Amino acid sequence: NAGVMQNPRHLVRRRGQEARLRCSPMKGHSHVYWYRQLPEEGLKFMVYLQKENIIDESGMPKERFSAEFPKEGPSILRIQQVVRGDSAAYFCASSNYSNQPQHFGDGTRLSIL
Amino acid sequence: AQRVTQPEKLLSVFKGAPVELKCNYSYSGSPELFWYVQYSRQRLQLLLRHISRESIKGFTADLNKGETSFHLKKPFAQEEDSAMYYCALKGGSWGKLQFGAGTQVVVTP
Repeated sequence: NAGVMQNPRHLVRRRGQEARLRCSPMKGHSHVYWYRQLPEEGLKFMVYLQKENIIDESGMPKERFSAEFPKEGPSILRIQQVVRGDSAAYFCASSNYSNQPQHFGDGTRLSIL
Repeated sequence: AQRVTQPEKLLSVFKGAPVELKCNYSYSGSPELFWYVQYSRQRLQLLLRHISRESIKGFTADLNKGETSFHLKKPFAQEEDSAMYYCALKGGSWGKLQFGAGTQVVVTP
């Protein structure tokens, strides 16, 4: 079991472009969480998804950010029209049930030029 | 509002000395508390959860509801304990975690 896989590990975008971050949960896990870590800060919850459903998106910015977890394939965090403030590390975690510990991926470091 | 506070950004200790990482929380209900650790060039991994009441790698943490604390302790630090440590809180039925800012531990020989 390879664990939670995130790609790419590093992503560079220019202002105004779109960024797509992918997360494949651990085998057998149907709960996916996205977190963002700004420099010098802890991880901040963004969104919680369970196959094809968004359960909690209370941490998602109101504009430009969206997430999905389709029936087949990885979960995608999409950021449209990126700005410099979107530069951060984005972590994905998965669990088999919402009350079970979350397992984290290596993260995607997003840099905006 | 729920909040997790780790007052120390950096903790430097000598090998063999005791180490204590502070974590205080605010939450109106009954939270579940965790410690996560991130070693150099590795992913974040679960170290302890309070409901397990176990010792992992010599670390223990006790939930003190009166003081709203969940401090992480180890009596004799080892060089391999050098890492970033995050305290996290889960409140409510959903799984989302609230993290502290983290404490960098450096164990010197």
